Amino acid sequence: KQEVTQIPAALSVPEGENLVLNCSFTDSAIYNLQWFRQDPGKGLTSLLLIQSSQREQTSGRLNASLDKSSGRSTLYIAASQPGDSATYLCAGRPSGSARQLTFGSGTQLTVLP
Amino acid sequence: DAGVTQSPTHLIKTRGQQVTLRCSPISGHKSVSWYQQVLGQGPQFIFQYYEKEERGRGNFPDRFSARQFPNYSSELNVNALLLGDSALYLCASSGGLGWGTEAFFGQGTRLTVV
Repeated sequence: KQEVTQIPAALSVPEGENLVLNCSFTDSAIYNLQWFRQDPGKGLTSLLLIQSSQREQTSGRLNASLDKSSGRSTLYIAASQPGDSATYLCAGRPSGSARQLTFGSGTQLTVLP
Repeated sequence: DAGVTQSPTHLIKTRGQQVTLRCSPISGHKSVSWYQQVLGQGPQFIFQYYEKEERGRGNFPDRFSARQFPNYSSELNVNALLLGDSALYLCASSGGLGWGTEAFFGQGTRLTVV
């Protein structure tokens, strides 16, 4: 059974800092991994999708990497802004049950002005 | 283009009652999935439907059921509500069954059971 872990659970940084959010998964045989943003009480906004054949994806100030052999993905946020404050969730689509996404519990990010 | 839309946004129900949640996927998307998210946790998979057929089911009791209509919209039904069913219910749509497809989520329905 695929398990996804996100560390740290919460992170507070000053504005302008570059930061890395971590995601680890137990089953390296995943089809893809997706990073989401969730604002309080809201739905999920898709940030980046990395296919199993890819090593990284970039969108603006965001860069996500995927290392299947070590079971890890990272989300890099450059020049953080207060508007980046949210909970960030990673989710893997495991090979054994590709119909579903398996989520971590998220990292709650606060960017201080 | 409209994204994934869910209704209602909030509702309050009493224990033992039944509830129906609705979801309209992105135009052209044929796959709809439902997830439950309790406070402080990541979403948990409930169902996936594709072309009106159930294609996946998570570890939820039979009180939970769903269906998909010819226009690809979907309903999630929960019977005999328990306090523990209080959660944010999320609907996701994607263009295919899984594997390489990207999932897009709606804003969710906040269900409170009292």
